[in-house]
Amino acid sequence: DAKTTQPPSMDCAEGRAANLPCNHSTISGNEYVYWYRQIHSQGPQYIIHGLKNNETNEMASLIITEDRKSSTLILPHATLRDTAVYYCIVSYSGGYQKVTFGTGTKLQVIP
Amino acid sequence: NAGVTQTPKFQVLKTGQSMTLQCAQDMNHEYMSWYRQDPGMGLRLIHYSVGAGITDQGEVPNGYNVSRSTTEDFPLRLLSAAPSQTSVYFCASGYIAGVLDEQFFGPGTRLTVL
Repeated sequence: DAKTTQPPSMDCAEGRAANLPCNHSTISGNEYVYWYRQIHSQGPQYIIHGLKNNETNEMASLIITEDRKSSTLILPHATLRDTAVYYCIVSYSGGYQKVTFGTGTKLQVIP
Repeated sequence: NAGVTQTPKFQVLKTGQSMTLQCAQDMNHEYMSWYRQDPGMGLRLIHYSVGAGITDQGEVPNGYNVSRSTTEDFPLRLLSAAPSQTSVYFCASGYIAGVLDEQFFGPGTRLTVL
């Protein structure tokens, strides 16, 4: 699996958009970009994933650059409950892949 | 559905003791896995299973055993606990191995080995 690089921490004002970057310069053509988050030592929670095109769901948007070497997770209106560690993971879809989570970005939403 | 359940939530062991961390899911998922998370670290895969009777090693399998006799249960056994195994343990399940959008995590077991 390709390796990812994320900033260790970020702050965001409540109600503003939170933009979390991720670099994955060694991503291969059939690897997806996944985002998970972990709130206060709970089990990780799936947020969104994508291959090439930008994706949006009820939780967030995912913007993937054209060369696929980086991506940005966008939380459009951050709330205090979005304070969490956010993990960017690159992996094949399907098959018997062994997935490893990195250290992620600690997002602190400030009132 | 209860989702993925883990017991116990907290456990303190002495070095050399053995114990089993329980994990159960009621979603009929074929794929189940165990991760450990050390303080300030990401999650690392210990063992995983793609179905009843089939298990395989992850990134950090030493010191742990698993078995999968039923689709619902995937216990993790520590045969002789060591302080290095102090960690938070998460169990996950999903329909398809390695497909991250299908993975559901349990609440975790916090283990301290003295």
